[in-house]
Amino acid sequence: QSALTQPASVSGSPGQSITISCTGTSSDVGGYNYVSWYQQHPGKAPKLMIYEVGNRPSGVSNRFSGSKSGNTASLTISGLQAEDEADYYCSSYTSSNTRLFGGGTKLTVL
Amino acid sequence: QVQLVESGGGVVQPGRSLRLSCGASGFTFSWNSMHWVRQAPGKGLEWVAVISSDGSNSYYADSVKGQFTISRDNSKSTLYLEMNSLRPEDTAVYYCATHSSGWSKFDYWGQGTLVTVSS
Repeated sequence: QSALTQPASVSGSPGQSITISCTGTSSDVGGYNYVSWYQQHPGKAPKLMIYEVGNRPSGVSNRFSGSKSGNTASLTISGLQAEDEADYYCSSYTSSNTRLFGGGTKLTVL
Repeated sequence: QVQLVESGGGVVQPGRSLRLSCGASGFTFSWNSMHWVRQAPGKGLEWVAVISSDGSNSYYADSVKGQFTISRDNSKSTLYLEMNSLRPEDTAVYYCATHSSGWSKFDYWGQGTLVTVSS
């Protein structure tokens, strides 16, 4: 059960778009459309941003989108805003009926 | 609205045990699978365990298998995590989490309870 692989950090200027990748295996990310993404601000509980690869919960901005190709899922944030600065985590269901999180990506809005 | 409230955290010596609780309200607790997720200080999220809605099935991360036990009392709308033989590396904020419609995601999270394993 190794953590999913995410870049440690990404950055972008306001208004730009960024993409965060999440790489797993055929036993997790690649095997199921059960990838979700979470935003976490310091000292706060995580917040669901994307579920089942590309679905947005009610209330989440349409600037957030998700996709998947093979064993890699991606979160794209368009029109970056200052409040998007946070840590982002991917998560996937696995063939062992467990869950995995990625190591997390710190997004800096320049 | 949905509320998840964890309790039971604190400072515990290595090798000792601790039981966390998560009280749930605002949804039909007995319909939902429930999870524990932890976050060591300054580190990322780590999934710990899940229990099915009726308590008949549970699964664990390799890092806690045989050491932690997840359970639930649907009559009390409460989730538990029994943690034994605690080690310093178990120091973390422990969150309980669950889903709304669709089981695969964590829509709802508690505020977390801090467990510190230290002599």
